Amino acid sequence: AQSVTQLGSHVSVSEGALVLLRCNYSSSVPPYLFWYVQYPNQGLQLLLKYTTGATLVKGINGFEAEFKKSETSFHLTKPSAHMSDAAEYFCAVTAPDSSASKIIFGSGTRLSIRP
Amino acid sequence: KAGVTQTPRYLIKTRGQQVTLSCSPISGHRSVSWYQQTPGQGLQFLFEYFSETQRNKGNFPGRFSGRQFSNSRSEMNVSTLELGDSALYLCASSLANGPGDEQFFGPGTRLTVL
Repeated sequence: AQSVTQLGSHVSVSEGALVLLRCNYSSSVPPYLFWYVQYPNQGLQLLLKYTTGATLVKGINGFEAEFKKSETSFHLTKPSAHMSDAAEYFCAVTAPDSSASKIIFGSGTRLSIRP
Repeated sequence: KAGVTQTPRYLIKTRGQQVTLSCSPISGHRSVSWYQQTPGQGLQFLFEYFSETQRNKGNFPGRFSGRQFSNSRSEMNVSTLELGDSALYLCASSLANGPGDEQFFGPGTRLTVL
């Protein structure tokens, strides 16, 4: 069985500050991990994903995440926040032998950016 | 390339009615999945269709059903609507729904049940 926990339902940072959104997973098999972003009144958009290989994954819009097996974490970071980053972010997990649609989403973290 | 489109974007129904939502996947994508998003339960997987066949199903009652046509377009039907069915229904398409495949989401249909 797999699960995802996102720490903090709401995170607020100043424009230009570091963005850190936390995600911890539980999986009985090596997981595939994803971060999605959802802007108001829109669907989800894939930011980045980890399947195998390099543990530091770079995504779109300057975001990156590092898979840390020892900590069962996949935290999302961005060095400098921009106003356009305000959105809801979802961490998600699937198993390598599972279809993409059987993805388990976290409860989401709403990111606010202060001017 | 056009993205995933969903119609209608907004829908208001009353309890006991039924509703049909439509999803057109990205051209060439054969897999279409449906999700329900609510503030309380978050994002939950409903079902997935591939080449007109339901391949995967989540834990939803039989009132929720779907189908896929030969052009990969998909419809989702909810019968005997309940207040708790109020949600954003998201459709996602992918090439083949393989492990790690990226899913492309539509903007969703917001269903309100009164």
